[in-house]
Amino acid sequence: GIQVEQSPPDLILQEGANSTLRCNFSDSVNNLQWFHQNPWGQLINLFYIPSGTKQNGRLSATTVATERYSLLYISSSQTTDSGVYFCAVNQGAQKLVFGQGTRLTINP
Amino acid sequence: DGGITQSPKYLFRKEGQNVTLSCEQNLNHDAMYWYRQDPGQGLRLIYYSQIVNDFQKGDIAEGYSVSREKKESFPLTVTSAQKNPTAFYLCASSFGQADNSPLHFGNGTRLTVT
Repeated sequence: GIQVEQSPPDLILQEGANSTLRCNFSDSVNNLQWFHQNPWGQLINLFYIPSGTKQNGRLSATTVATERYSLLYISSSQTTDSGVYFCAVNQGAQKLVFGQGTRLTINP
Repeated sequence: DGGITQSPKYLFRKEGQNVTLSCEQNLNHDAMYWYRQDPGQGLRLIYYSQIVNDFQKGDIAEGYSVSREKKESFPLTVTSAQKNPTAFYLCASSFGQADNSPLHFGNGTRLTVT
């Protein structure tokens, strides 16, 4: 099946810093989604982005489907950005395949 | 407010007992899903349902059962046959199919079996 790899596995930054999270996938996909899981376990859908670039406030995402990767950018990090960021991909069935996540810690 | 409600938030059971986790959505979404998350891991699909009275197994369906009698509800039963039931269980829904619709999650149920 398709493999999804996220990097880095852990990232520790000071408040105000910028960060880039990467998601590589091993095969062509129909869609890609980014999620943020907060320290209480709640998962929030950040982006539905099968290709191209989207922006939402301080967050933006770019998916280059032909090269099988996606990037999530977080600018001017805040402590509330802490948590685990997951990317998940789909190949045309109902099953979304999740990566192992990047754990982001923003220190004040 | 529209959303996905999972209950209870925490659940404790003795080994050998079946337990049912509730998931209700008022988003008018057609598709619903159950995922399992173990510590430090990503999510794995247990079951999904695209329409009422129909559901399919995901990657780790053994030891679990579901029903979809109403569009709004998709309960998950963790049976005594599930060898390692202690985990964080997440219910999700999407308006259309997972390959063309954003997925939205409930707040999860933490199940501990001793």
